Amino acid sequence: QKEVEQNSGPLSVPEGAIASLNCTYSDRVSQSFFWYRQYSGKSPELIMSIYSNGDKEDGRFTAQLNKASQYVSLLIRDSQPSDSATYLCAGYNQGGKLIFGQGTELSVKP
Amino acid sequence: DADVTQTPRNRITKTGKRIMLECSQTKGHDRMYWYRQDPGLGLRLIYYSFDVKDINKGEISDGYSVSRQAQAKFSLSLESAIPNQTALYFCATSDPSGVTGELFFGEGSRLTVL
Repeated sequence: QKEVEQNSGPLSVPEGAIASLNCTYSDRVSQSFFWYRQYSGKSPELIMSIYSNGDKEDGRFTAQLNKASQYVSLLIRDSQPSDSATYLCAGYNQGGKLIFGQGTELSVKP
Repeated sequence: DADVTQTPRNRITKTGKRIMLECSQTKGHDRMYWYRQDPGLGLRLIYYSFDVKDINKGEISDGYSVSRQAQAKFSLSLESAIPNQTALYFCATSDPSGVTGELFFGEGSRLTVL
C-alpha cells in the first residue's frame, strides 16, 4: 500500500455544491495531515492542516481526520470556479519526510 | 521577490547532458527539499537536507545528486540526463522544527530531456 493515497479524479461538481476529496494512509504515516492546493502551472500552497481526530473548519473548508479508518478528507462548501485546482494530501512518514498523495483534480463548473 | 527562487524555470536538454537546477531561499529555514512532479504521480521526494551538513535520499534519488552550498542554497544535479527525468521539479523549505507541515515551494523548474 502506498503511504498516502488519493483518487486522482478528475472530480467535477457544479458551482455551489459541496466537493468532497478523500485520502487514505498507511500505518507508516504519522497522525498529522495537510491539504495543499495547486493551481495549474503553479506551485502547491498549504490550505489546511489537521492533527487530531475529528473535524477542523476554516471558512468554506473542513478537514476531517478518522484515525480508526485511516482516512482524511477535505470538504469544500459552496464550491466556486476559483476552487478548480489539484488538491494534494500529505502526511509525515516514520522517517520524518512529508509524503504526498497523487493529487485529486477538482473542476467546479459554473 | 519570491522567498524560494528556482533557476532555470524552463530547460530543454539532450540525453546524456549534465544539468543543474538551483534553489535559493530567503526564509531562513534550515530544511530544504527537492521534489519532482509527474502527471498522476503527485510530488515525489528526491533529496532533502535538514542543515548544511545533512543530506538525505528521498523516495527516488537514483540518477540525481545534490549539494547544499549554504543554508540558503540547495542544488539538484542530473549527471547524465535521460528522457524519463522529464518532469516538473520543485524546491521547498520548511520551518526549523518542520512540525507545522508547511512547505514553502519555489515556482518550479520544468525540465525536458530529449
